[in-house]
Amino acid sequence: EIVMTQSPGTLSVSPGVRATLSCRASQSVRSNLAWYQQKPGQAPRLLIYGASTRATAFPARFSGSGSGTEFTLTISSLQSEDFAVYYCLQYNNWPLTFGQGTKVEIK
Amino acid sequence: EVQLLDSGGGLVQPGGSLRLSCAASGFTFSNYAMAWVRQAPGKGLEWVSAISDSGGRSTYYAESVKGRFTISRDNSRNTLYLQMNSLRDEDTAIYYCVKRDPHFDYWGQGTLVTVSS
Repeated sequence: EIVMTQSPGTLSVSPGVRATLSCRASQSVRSNLAWYQQKPGQAPRLLIYGASTRATAFPARFSGSGSGTEFTLTISSLQSEDFAVYYCLQYNNWPLTFGQGTKVEIK
Repeated sequence: EVQLLDSGGGLVQPGGSLRLSCAASGFTFSNYAMAWVRQAPGKGLEWVSAISDSGGRSTYYAESVKGRFTISRDNSRNTLYLQMNSLRDEDTAIYYCVKRDPHFDYWGQGTLVTVSS
């Protein structure tokens, strides 16, 4: 099983600041990596797929990068609606596995 | 517009059974693989099971549910199912139906399964 490790567990940032979230795979998943945003009481929403392709519902301040085992989600200037939990998912190998999540909270 | 409507959750005793359903619309259901993902209260996301497109000949399960859960689909009804048997306390979670492409691009609203005596 591929273990996905996200860091940090919690990120406290002020609005307008840049946020960088990390996701590391225990073995290569090529570019088969997605990011999801989840707000309290809601289902997760697809944010990034193919490691770097942004879903149409999300603005350009969100970007993804990486391949193999190291991936990054960057939010260039945090807005109030971006405070949420973010998960990465590898879909390269069975079983499909999620990271444990990074909570982005207001500082 | 893609819509996935999860249903069938509820309270069940340990050892009991439950069948979840997911009614899909807004896309050609038979052309896509589908899956179930769950989230225990206050916890992260866990993939549970997946089924291939069309005839659904290929199915996949997380080790935690293998032998107890069965995923299936009825393309004539645009519906995905998850039969859950021998339920345990640790199966308590919100269960989400998801469309695969091959990442999970659309999610249902979730249905809550509570296993408790």
